[in-house]
Amino acid sequence: TQLLEQSPQFLSIQEGENLTVYCNSSSVFSSLQWYRQEPGEGPVLLVTVVTGGEVKKLKRLTFQFGDARKDSSLHITAAQPGDTGLYLCAGEARVWTDKLIFGTGTRLQVFP
Amino acid sequence: EAQVTQNPRYLITVTGKKLTVTCSQNMNHEYMSWYRQDPGLGLRQIYYSMNVEVTDKGDVPEGYKVSRKEKRNFPLILESPSPNQTSLYFCASSLEGRSGSYTFGSGTRLTVV
Repeated sequence: TQLLEQSPQFLSIQEGENLTVYCNSSSVFSSLQWYRQEPGEGPVLLVTVVTGGEVKKLKRLTFQFGDARKDSSLHITAAQPGDTGLYLCAGEARVWTDKLIFGTGTRLQVFP
Repeated sequence: EAQVTQNPRYLITVTGKKLTVTCSQNMNHEYMSWYRQDPGLGLRQIYYSMNVEVTDKGDVPEGYKVSRKEKRNFPLILESPSPNQTSLYFCASSLEGRSGSYTFGSGTRLTVV
């Protein structure tokens, strides 16, 4: 059973377009992390959201944690080729497990 | 620069030939972990270590060994590699423990023929 489902799995868009990636679960998480993994490299932490309803912005990237802390979204405005990569969400549960649960991933390709 | 260093980056080996993938971190993190990443299966935890001399199995430990004799190093050992261990491996460390935010290494792509 995959506890964190991401959608879409794959996304190919043109430079300048906007996009949203979703991370959904039926379980509650204490916090949600987002990572970006570029080809040939390890995942790099982008942001951690902790409070239900929290919104964090990182330049053109906007992260939101759902009110019930079961889901999160990542919105990219005016995507650039440098945004290309695998986006992973990861949930910290605390109550029912002590390990970080990784999502299934969204592979984004931005064409010039 | 704070980082996790893995070596080698690429490795091709034959079935049954013992190998070690090294991992070192310079952030004084107590928690370290090994993952493998396979298409369609995502990141799966192999082993983790909460501190020196403390290691535990993750979700897919079969065929792997680890050791944690010093805080900075956490090598992954494949005593008798098999083709199903062909994968992309990542070492990671965390200041906050098993559910904290991770710093990952750049990965080791292993092919077992």
